[in-house]
Order: sequence, then C-alpha cells, then structure tokens
Amino acid sequence: DGGITQSPKYLFRKEGQNVTLSCEQNLNHDAMYWYRQDPGQGLRLIYYSHIVNDFQKGDIAEGYSVSREKKESFPLTVTSAQKNPTAFYLCASSMGQGRSTLYGYTFGSGTRLTVV
Amino acid sequence: KQEVTQIPAALSVPEGENLVLNCSFTDSAIYNLQWFRQDPGKGLTSLLLIQSSQREQTSGRLNASLDKSSGRSTLYIAASQPGDSATYLCAVTGGYQKVTFGTGTKLQVIP
Repeated sequence: DGGITQSPKYLFRKEGQNVTLSCEQNLNHDAMYWYRQDPGQGLRLIYYSHIVNDFQKGDIAEGYSVSREKKESFPLTVTSAQKNPTAFYLCASSMGQGRSTLYGYTFGSGTRLTVV
Repeated sequence: KQEVTQIPAALSVPEGENLVLNCSFTDSAIYNLQWFRQDPGKGLTSLLLIQSSQREQTSGRLNASLDKSSGRSTLYIAASQPGDSATYLCAVTGGYQKVTFGTGTKLQVIP
C-alpha cells in the first residue's frame, strides 16, 4: 500500500541537541510538507518542497532545516536554535504541480518530540 | 490572510444521533476544502475533498457541503457511532496552493 512513513513515533531531545525526523513516501508525489501541531492551535507550516532539490520556508521555519535530495524523502532537522520544539510533527505530501488542488493531501502518522 | 474557524471546539452526542460539524473561512477564493479525521496521537486521515466548483461530496455516512460564497462548509455524520469519536479538522487550499487548517472539533459519541 502506498503511504507516508514517519519515524520515529516518539523522540526525546536534550537541550542544545539537533534531532532529525524522517519522512518517506511511496506515493510518487512531487510535493512534501512539514507541519507542527500544538494543543489548541491549527497546524502550522514549517517547510515545503514542490520538487527535488528545492524547498521553501513556511510560516514558522526558524530553528528548523530540511533537505530534499530524493523525491521520496523529506527529513526535518530540529536544531538547537528552536527554543520550544516540544510538539507533534506531521509530514504530508500531495501530487503537486497544481494537482494538489484536485487530489488534496496525504498525511503521515506523526512524530511526537519532547525536550527533556 | 485566510482564517478558518471550527465551532464548536468540542461536541458530545449520544450514539445514533445525526450531527453537523461546521467550518467557516474568511476568503472565498479557494481551490478546495478538505475534511480530515484525527485520532489521539495519530496523523490526519482524509475523509472528503470538495472542489470549489462542487456543492457536496458523500462517502458512506459522511456528507460534506460547501457554500463558497458564504465561506462555509458542513460535515454531516449520520447515525453516529462510538468509533466516530475523534477530532475533525477542515482545511482550505487558497492562492499559491497555501493550505490553512482550522483548529478542529473534538467529537465524542457516547454509547
């Protein structure tokens, strides 16, 4: 079955440490996205990529970095510069090239990051 | 700036009841509206996608309507079941394919 796999499911970060969240999709989607979800708030866009080797900042990119070296993979690094990283992180994908407006978005199961 | 509002934030109903969840948005220039379901600690599962040219979509016991001119969408759930308990989110896709999410309605169906 096609889908999006996020790993790990739970992640603990020490102060000052960088951590990387994995997102892999086998849907052959061009576009991939990272969202952050906090209690009582809507999903907020961190970074997105519409094509390999290209990505754009979303609304809350500070303290995060991404790469898009392969179509299937869009890892997110939470750096020590992110002062409040504890949240639920969701990866999504869409067909892109304007076709996301026709077919919508598919989400992974999420990674819960906690600072200890 | 697009704003998406879902009211109420939480809803509790007895099993078997028909119910309506509401979603409103401020900018009617949208490409589509998508309804999602989220179980605790899980990702989002797509329920229905309505294109801006459509008025409604149906899937099983779910029916979603869209009134773009008034900036409103409703998700109708027929004959609710305890397994329907989850948080329901709506999201609109606007210009530059920017997606804006509501904060969700947490539904509890009581057996």
